[in-house]
Amino acid sequence: EAEVAQSPRYKITEKSQAVAFWCDPISGHATLYWYRQILGQGPELLVQFQDESVVDDSQLPKDRFSAERLKGVDSTLKIQPAELGDSAMYLCASSFLAGVLSSGANVLTFGAGSRLTVL
Amino acid sequence: GENVEQHPSTLSVQEGDSAVIKCTYSDSASNYFPWYKQELGKGPQLIIDIRSNVGEKKDQRIAVTLNKTAKHFSLHITETQPEDSAVYFCAPYYSGAGSYQLTFGKGTKLSVIP
Repeated sequence: EAEVAQSPRYKITEKSQAVAFWCDPISGHATLYWYRQILGQGPELLVQFQDESVVDDSQLPKDRFSAERLKGVDSTLKIQPAELGDSAMYLCASSFLAGVLSSGANVLTFGAGSRLTVL
Repeated sequence: GENVEQHPSTLSVQEGDSAVIKCTYSDSASNYFPWYKQELGKGPQLIIDIRSNVGEKKDQRIAVTLNKTAKHFSLHITETQPEDSAVYFCAPYYSGAGSYQLTFGKGTKLSVIP
């Protein structure tokens, strides 16, 4: 079964340091999403890509977060500088198409996530 | 934006009993209603979904029912098993006019007691 790959699985860093997360979506999936999940909460969308273009980054804290998907395949999410409140699970997800999530052919598939702890 | 509420936040059932989780949403334009299961240390996994033109869908021991008028949909798990223990999220979805929003609830922690 096709999977969304993420790395690293775990990252511990000190505040003010830079961190980066990588995601490789399911082959052929044009839409890629980065979510943040704080412990005990549901995932919240940070940024959505359609191919290499950003579709929605309205919830991305742009003063410290950046995301790119240069060739429209894999993606990197960066935080610089990290703050204590950034401790969370960062989830990547992908779908074949945007805007037409539906049963069967086009569903949202998540990776296992990257757990960030900021000390 | 969409307001999503899930109830209950925690649920404990005996193995073999049924479990029901309810999700209420605010945006009447939402047209796709998935449920995700998240096990410890893993990403959410889609377990069942329903489109707005369907009232109920079943897949073995799980089912989803939708009441668009009242703006809520529910997850039903019958004959619960210990492996059903996880956190379940509803995520009503709106797509249209160039905007695509999947908004997650806060989750329901289901514990199935052997």
